[in-house]
Amino acid sequence: DAGVIQSPRHEVTEMGQEVTLRCKPISGHDYLFWYRQTMMRGLELLIYFNNNVPIDDSGMPEDRFSAKMPNASFSTLKIQPSEPRDSAVYFCASSFMQGDNSPLHFGNGTRLTVT
Amino acid sequence: EDQVTQSPEALRLQEGESSSLNCSYTVSGLRGLFWYRQDPGKGPEFLFTLYSAGEEKEKERLKATLTKKESFLHITAPKPEDSATYLCAASSGGSYIPTFGRGTSLIVHP
Repeated sequence: DAGVIQSPRHEVTEMGQEVTLRCKPISGHDYLFWYRQTMMRGLELLIYFNNNVPIDDSGMPEDRFSAKMPNASFSTLKIQPSEPRDSAVYFCASSFMQGDNSPLHFGNGTRLTVT
Repeated sequence: EDQVTQSPEALRLQEGESSSLNCSYTVSGLRGLFWYRQDPGKGPEFLFTLYSAGEEKEKERLKATLTKKESFLHITAPKPEDSATYLCAASSGGSYIPTFGRGTSLIVHP
């Protein structure tokens, strides 16, 4: 398996623009997570899905952030409008929980810079 | 609220100089304690899962141990290629979703 695939790897945009980050999880995994990583706050969980259904979005910082998972092989994280404080590395991860602890498998992230 | 604290924040070692990284956790009913390695520009990569106090797991120069309040990642005779950030995460009885620590940045000098 190719692992979790994220695109784009890098995104540079101007304040106020819409940004869409994409993720393809590992086939067969039933959980999908979106994390944000910064030097100040480390890894923060933004939202996670189980079987394509959003379970907990309490980590989403503001209404400017939204996430969807239209099918088992694709998810998006959208920021509209973007602000400079959104600059961070955004990771997608997937896992096959099966009612037990399974490790998360991370993609290589999207580095977002908002100027 | 679940909490995971890692120390030190940064560690510099000479090649061959063994040391340990610490992960202290406060969770209600530990389900699993995870260690990940993260290289620059990459996502975290899974290393180990520990489930109960007294458990140990090894992989090459790394050994992870677990007590009721802490986990240690022991690095024996490290090499420069062991340089990375090591992340610890814990999941509690109420959720399978792990809480991550801030990580320890390890640099091993040749």
